[in-house]
Amino acid sequence: QITLKESGPTLVKPTQTLTLTCTFSGFSLSTRGVGVGWIRQPPGKALEWLALLYWDDDKGYSPSLKSRLTITKDTSKSQVVLTMTNMDPVDTATYYCARNWGLGNFDSWGQGSLVTVSS
Amino acid sequence: QSALTQPASVSGSPGQSITISCTGTSSDVGGYHYVSWYQQHPGKAPKLMIYEVTNRPSGVSNRFSGSKSGNTASLTISGLQAEDEADYYCSSYAGDSTPVVFGGGTKLTVL
Repeated sequence: QITLKESGPTLVKPTQTLTLTCTFSGFSLSTRGVGVGWIRQPPGKALEWLALLYWDDDKGYSPSLKSRLTITKDTSKSQVVLTMTNMDPVDTATYYCARNWGLGNFDSWGQGSLVTVSS
Repeated sequence: QSALTQPASVSGSPGQSITISCTGTSSDVGGYHYVSWYQQHPGKAPKLMIYEVTNRPSGVSNRFSGSKSGNTASLTISGLQAEDEADYYCSSYAGDSTPVVFGGGTKLTVL
């Protein structure tokens, strides 16, 4: 059974850096073709892809947010970490991590973590 | 990379069929056979319903089907049921530098 769970702060202040951790089980990030991605969803709005980390440590970032994002992995802990710098109230959203395989197929998702940016 | 274009809302009666479109460009939807569709109920995480344009993951009803023509992909739901009422999102591979782009989402109402 594949599971993913996001963890991190629920409230951050403007200009702070957000660090979110995705802890997963039921698959290995060392398996060819597998990746873990981050997707966010502001309240009442659409999904927005943020970043993707592949089994071979290749990485992809949303062009509009690339300068603020870093995605890393700790294979031994089955974790993927996303950092986003210079947080702003418009970054308030539910942040999801999801398993990716192939090209862009997110077949298992975490429950999501609501992050509010406010002073 | 711009978001893919979906209608804001569609509706249908139980038993009917509906189709949701997803329009992109030759750099995403039209250029690759990698379009996915997700269903999201309120307060829940998205669920993969269609991958690689036409394929259904195990456990997804065969009432859901996908297709593509040029730069537009489509999701068809036949035999509408009340439980199908949800938001639907398409996504497409858009190249190595932008592997994922989502659509703006479509709210399906079952009348």
